[in-house]
Amino acid sequence: NAGVMQNPRHLVRRRGQEARLRCSPMKGHSHVYWYRQLPEEGLKFMVYLQKENIIDESGMPKERFSAEFPKEGPSILRIQQVVRGDSAAYFCASSPETGGKQYFGPGTRLTVT
Amino acid sequence: DQQVKQNSPSLSVQEGRISILNCDYTNSMFDYFLWYKKYPAEGPTFLISISSIKDKNEDGRFTVFLNKSAKHLSLHIVPSQPGDSAVYFCAASGTDAGGTSYGKLTFGQGTILTVHP
Repeated sequence: NAGVMQNPRHLVRRRGQEARLRCSPMKGHSHVYWYRQLPEEGLKFMVYLQKENIIDESGMPKERFSAEFPKEGPSILRIQQVVRGDSAAYFCASSPETGGKQYFGPGTRLTVT
Repeated sequence: DQQVKQNSPSLSVQEGRISILNCDYTNSMFDYFLWYKKYPAEGPTFLISISSIKDKNEDGRFTVFLNKSAKHLSLHIVPSQPGDSAVYFCAASGTDAGGTSYGKLTFGQGTILTVHP
């Protein structure tokens, strides 16, 4: 049973470009979560999605950030017009149900130059 | 508003001895607590969890203790091994007043554990 997959593992973008981060949950998991880790900090919750629905986006910045989890295909975290402060590790997690253990992917390290 | 705190940024122990990592929380709605281990350039890996109806959970060398009245939990690793050297994160989730699970995890800042041979 493959774990949570994320791609790309590393992404370099210039300021003003768009970044698209992909996450495929574990087989049988319909709950997806995105977290961001800034240097020297813990993981901060961004958004929680189920298939075709955003359940909780309380951790998402109000502008430039969006997320989706379509009926078919991976979950996408999209960052428009990236700025240097967006440089971080972005982790995706999945779970078979809400409120329990979450399984994390290897992360995407975004660098904005 | 740091609802989950790990006040020790780092801990160094000798191989074979006990490692004790601590975590405090402030949100009384948290009812499920987890410990994750993280190596550099990798995602967090689940270690052990505990529900608020328990005060102890054990899995091999890892034991988690929960003190609800003090809003404090700790992870004990015994005996510690060099391969345990990593960053350890405490995390919590809970339910709202209506009984709906938050879903999201709230993490502490992490503690860097170094186990010396």
